[in-house]
Amino acid sequence: GESVGLHLPTLSVQEGDNSIINCAYSNSASDYFIWYKQESGKGPQFIIDIRSNMDKRQGQRVTVLLNKTVKHLSLQIAATQPGDSAVYFCAETMEYGNKLVFGAGTILRVKS
Amino acid sequence: KAGVTQTPRYLIKTRGQQVTLSCSPISGHRSVSWYQQTPGQGLQFLFEYFSETQRNKGNFPGRFSGRQFSNSRSEMNVSTLELGDSALYLCASSLAAYTDTQYFGPGTRLTVL
Repeated sequence: GESVGLHLPTLSVQEGDNSIINCAYSNSASDYFIWYKQESGKGPQFIIDIRSNMDKRQGQRVTVLLNKTVKHLSLQIAATQPGDSAVYFCAETMEYGNKLVFGAGTILRVKS
Repeated sequence: KAGVTQTPRYLIKTRGQQVTLSCSPISGHRSVSWYQQTPGQGLQFLFEYFSETQRNKGNFPGRFSGRQFSNSRSEMNVSTLELGDSALYLCASSLAAYTDTQYFGPGTRLTVL
């Protein structure tokens, strides 16, 4: 299978602070990007997505930024809450099939 | 609207056996994708089915196969199980296009002894 990395970095933040989770994607031809959240014992849950013709998209408390020049994606979570504690994955895809390529993931821990 | 359901949730098998996992997509969704999740390799794409046809395939050996029925429900089969097949197998469904959101089920935890 395709390797997406072995290391899982951890981001620890204080409740109420803003969180920024970063992701380097692999394929310059990818044109659709998604952030997922996975809690223990559950499948990934969709958070927000962005097309390659955009560089920023906002949702409720979340913002995704896309920098195609350096193949970088980030997820910003405003006023982080304990319920935001989870593993966050970025994923990329392109036309011709629903094949998501996932990043390794980042553990977000929110301290109360 | 009901989410993606997967059965069984947990499964224990021994090496050499085969296993079949089932996935029921969200009503109206025609695309079903399968992913394998392990601590070492992360989330990896297995294959995708759309309108009963395999539309895309990942880099897994032929022991991994799948199919989709006319009602969009999908099954995946793993034959001649190996210890390394122990993983969480996730199914995701979407409407059709690659920009349609993929919604994941809770997964089937397969343990191979």
